[in-house]
Amino acid sequence: DQQVKQNSPSLSVQEGRISILNCDYTNSMFDYFLWYKKYPAEGPTFLISISSIKDKNEDGRFTVFLNKSAKHLSLHIVPSQPGDSAVYFCAARSTGSARQLTFGSGTQLTVLP
Amino acid sequence: SQTIHQWPATLVQPVGSPLSLECTVEGTSNPNLYWYRQAAGRGLQLLFYSVGIGQISSEVPQNLSASRPQDRQFILSSKKLLLSDSGFYLCAWKITSGTYNEQFFGPGTRLTVL
Repeated sequence: DQQVKQNSPSLSVQEGRISILNCDYTNSMFDYFLWYKKYPAEGPTFLISISSIKDKNEDGRFTVFLNKSAKHLSLHIVPSQPGDSAVYFCAARSTGSARQLTFGSGTQLTVLP
Repeated sequence: SQTIHQWPATLVQPVGSPLSLECTVEGTSNPNLYWYRQAAGRGLQLLFYSVGIGQISSEVPQNLSASRPQDRQFILSSKKLLLSDSGFYLCAWKITSGTYNEQFFGPGTRLTVL
């Protein structure tokens, strides 16, 4: 049972336009959400996060929105750049003792020049 | 600053052979440590986590085991590899104190079992 779902395996966007990556979750006990970016053959790097008590967090070109009632979060990248092309994973933190993260299956973003 | 090392970077092993992947963290003490696997075309699956020396929790039943012999060392092992063990293995660490939530990943090990 996938508790964190990224239903779009891929997304292509023109350079300079907005990229919107979506993520849905089922566990209402998740209290913190993160986005990671991953290039091939490298480990994921942390991008941006949001607490469940907020509905928006912004960091430069990246904004994460959280809709708790819909159990949905999204990552907006604007303007998109070719260097943003990567796999993006959303993750949700459980309330377990080690604060485990549950990851979605990822979305491959391709920004076309 | 903190750094995390994994080795080897790539590994090709025959079915039935043993496995040992090592992960070490520098620049922090008593981190939480994690092993993940990314199978081809799939997301990151948490395999094991550790909150301290000798303390290992397994998330999924499998052919693998983990050990934490030192505070900043995390080892992933198998006695006999299966074809299904192929994948990209990632080690991650997290600060245990305060309200930090982010996990930081190592460069990963690409394991191919033939």
